Amino acid sequence: AQSVTQLGSHVSVSEGALVLLRCNYSSSVPPYLFWYVQYPNQGLQLLLKYTSAATLVKGINGFEAEFKKSETSFHLTKPSAHMSDAAEYFCAVKRGSQGNLIFGKGTKLSVKP
Amino acid sequence: GAGVSQSPSNKVTEKGKDVELRCDPISGHTALYWYRQSLGQGLEFLIYFQGNSAPDKSGLPSDRFSAERTGGSVSTLTIQRTQQEDSAVYLCASSLTTGGLGQPQHFGDGTRLSIL
Repeated sequence: AQSVTQLGSHVSVSEGALVLLRCNYSSSVPPYLFWYVQYPNQGLQLLLKYTSAATLVKGINGFEAEFKKSETSFHLTKPSAHMSDAAEYFCAVKRGSQGNLIFGKGTKLSVKP
Repeated sequence: GAGVSQSPSNKVTEKGKDVELRCDPISGHTALYWYRQSLGQGLEFLIYFQGNSAPDKSGLPSDRFSAERTGGSVSTLTIQRTQQEDSAVYLCASSLTTGGLGQPQHFGDGTRLSIL
């Protein structure tokens, strides 16, 4: 069975600091992995996706993630946090070839001025 | 372009009543998904429609929950005899199924359901 674990339910960084949100996955087949962001009272917005084309994936708003098979990780990073990055972030793995997403518990990112 | 549209955005109802939640997917998207988001359980899959195939209902929590998708487009999620534990945000998503297996799902803003 596939699963996703996000380490840290809450991460706080200062504006301008590095953002690192951790995600580890479990999958018996090559995974399709996604990061989504959710702002208050909104749905989920796709940040980036991994579909085996390249291990370093660039997304919107300056975010990127690196797929590391040996570590079964897909951590999300951004070099310099902005106040507008404050939101909840979800890592997800796709079940099977066309199935639903299996989500981690989410990490709430706070950005201090 | 138009995204996934869900209605109503908020619904308050009394315990025991039936509710219907609507999802209008992105035009041309053949796959449609319903998820539930609650504080205690996070994001949970409910049901998945793919074209004219039989839906994958494996995530529905009880037989009080059902969904249909008419004409391969709009979907309705129905909860009968609502209970307080049904209070949650219900999210709908749609995706393409052509162009590769990694097509992302696009989400609506959800329906916030409160059971009194």
